Parts: sequence; C-alpha cells; structure tokens
Amino acid sequence: GEDVEQSLFLSVREGDSSVINCTYTDSSSTYLYWYKQEPGAGLQLLTYIFSNMDMKQDQRLTVLLNKKDKHLSLRIADTQTGDSAIYFCAESNQAGTALIFGKGTTLSVSS
Amino acid sequence: DTAVSQTPKYLVTQMGNDKSIKCEQNLGHDTMYWYKQDSKKFLKIMFSYNNKELIINETVPNRFSPKSPDKAHLNLHINSLELGDSAVYFCASRKKGGNEQFFGPGTRLTVL
Repeated sequence: GEDVEQSLFLSVREGDSSVINCTYTDSSSTYLYWYKQEPGAGLQLLTYIFSNMDMKQDQRLTVLLNKKDKHLSLRIADTQTGDSAIYFCAESNQAGTALIFGKGTTLSVSS
Repeated sequence: DTAVSQTPKYLVTQMGNDKSIKCEQNLGHDTMYWYKQDSKKFLKIMFSYNNKELIINETVPNRFSPKSPDKAHLNLHINSLELGDSAVYFCASRKKGGNEQFFGPGTRLTVL
C-alpha cells in the first residue's frame, strides 16, 4: 500500500542547514509535497515538486527528488528559530483523491 | 479573508454525545477533505468529497459522516463519541485540477 516514512526528530543550531528526509512507496505520485505545522497551528504548504523534476529551489528551501530510490529531501539553509516546527512529507494517493502524509519530522532549532 | 475556516476551534464533550464540526471554504474549490491528526501528530485522510463523489477511508468508523449542504461546506458529524475520537480534525480543499490542498486551522476535539 501507499506509505511515507520520515525520521521523527531533527535538532540543529541556528544558522546551520537542516536536511529532512522522506521515503515514499507510490512511484505513480505526480507531485510530492512538504508541509509545515507550527505548534497549535494548521498545515502550511511550503513547497511541492513535480515528479519529473530532480530539484526545486525556493529561497532558503531546496527540495531534492530521487525518483529511482523514491527519496525526497527538504533542505533549509541558514535555519532560524522560527523554523522550529513539524515538517510533513506527503504524496498523492493512487486515486489522486487525497494526500498520504508521513509521520512528520519535528525540527528543533537552538540558538 | 480566511480561505478555509472551521468551527469550533475547540470542542470538549462527553463520551456518547453526538457533535458536528463545520468547515467552509471561500476559494470556489470543488473538492473538500477531512483529515484526523492524533496525539502523536499522525495525519490521516478520513474523507474526500466533491459534488459527485464521496470517498471514504475504509478505516473510518461509520459513526463519522460528512455532510455537504453546498459546494462551499463540508461538515463532519460524529455520533456516539468515544475517547479515541479525541484528536485534531483538519478540513482542506482543492480546486479542480489543482495540486495544492489548502488546510483549515483545525478543530481540537477532546472527549471526556
């Protein structure tokens, strides 16, 4: 079945780069997504990548996609304390009717 | 302007009660969703709905029923609430052919 896996925790120092990794199972996913959830808040779409792309850059965010290995990563450059949140990787389900989320990676940024 | 709104933000109720959570989107989107986020922050789809089709995650108990009075609303009705229903429920919407789902702020349901 469809499944998305992420490591649960990542701790970095302010100013360092953060890399959050994700693996997924459904090779037919057209888009893969990264969402951010701050404490007590809803989900905010950070970025998404089309499956025929290898990389997408948006300011401090870089998404890398290795379709052969079904591996997706999110790199946050110059991580700030305001980046502390839970980051969810997601893929579309086979029917394209919903998102399948990973368990989320809690990013903790210390100053 | 709030794109996807949910009411209430917090809901505390007793076991066995019936309750509803409301969701409205002002984006003109065609498809709406309900997701459940449990205490470990795991997010799972419950329903997706457009004006033609309701798709139900098979793991969702039939005590949960979505109701859509019109295209802009998808409410979630829950019968006979159980302790395990305590979670944060998120509504989302997507336009036809679009890639992005827009999420509401969530409703935190606590069943005592």
